[in-house]
Amino acid sequence: QQQVKQSPQSLIVQKGGISIINCAYENTAFDYFPWYQQFPGKGPALLIAIRPDVSEKKEGRFTISFNKSAKQFSLHIMDSQPGDSATYFCAGDTSYGKLTFGQGTILTVHP
Amino acid sequence: DARVTQTPRHKVTEMGQEVTMRCQPILGHNTVFWYRQTMMQGLELLAYFRNRAPLDDSGMPKDRFSAEMPDATLATLKIQPSEPRDSAVYFCASGPLGGGPYEQYFGPGTRLTVT
Repeated sequence: QQQVKQSPQSLIVQKGGISIINCAYENTAFDYFPWYQQFPGKGPALLIAIRPDVSEKKEGRFTISFNKSAKQFSLHIMDSQPGDSATYFCAGDTSYGKLTFGQGTILTVHP
Repeated sequence: DARVTQTPRHKVTEMGQEVTMRCQPILGHNTVFWYRQTMMQGLELLAYFRNRAPLDDSGMPKDRFSAEMPDATLATLKIQPSEPRDSAVYFCASGPLGGGPYEQYFGPGTRLTVT
């Protein structure tokens, strides 16, 4: 009930390409879906987030697509850059601020 | 530039020893979270506090772990006795006032190695 399943575990993309990471959730109590970005040796940092009443949110090169009926959401990184190489975590959040994270995706963008 | 600070950044200890990790949340944030990150389990929520009161510690092994907030500027996570399986990176995060979803600001983590 609490799980958030994330795929793929790792992703290699060429510079300028599109990176796509997918997540699926089970807990219908989630009402906020953030994505966190983590660089080696650092703590995760909020990248972008969406509420389930919106089907898409775009911030710069980063877009979240949300499908409430399928209980799935995805992160698209357009024009991927080597500086985007990091681990990305999706998460589900209840109104209490309690995050349940996916397993993470290691993104490598080759120059 | 407000940040969550954690000490120590690295800790190596022997099995059976007590370990105390400290966190200073961002000033004014009233919610503090402790997470553990491992390759196998990913990011797991151990405990969280709101206004210094523990709200949920269901993710924490109760027999050896304890979490407290002695005051609004300090959160502690203690392991006694430590075991090799406790080796992980422990993150503290804090969040601002108010209910509902909001951004959590993570500290740099404490990398714990138990030999």
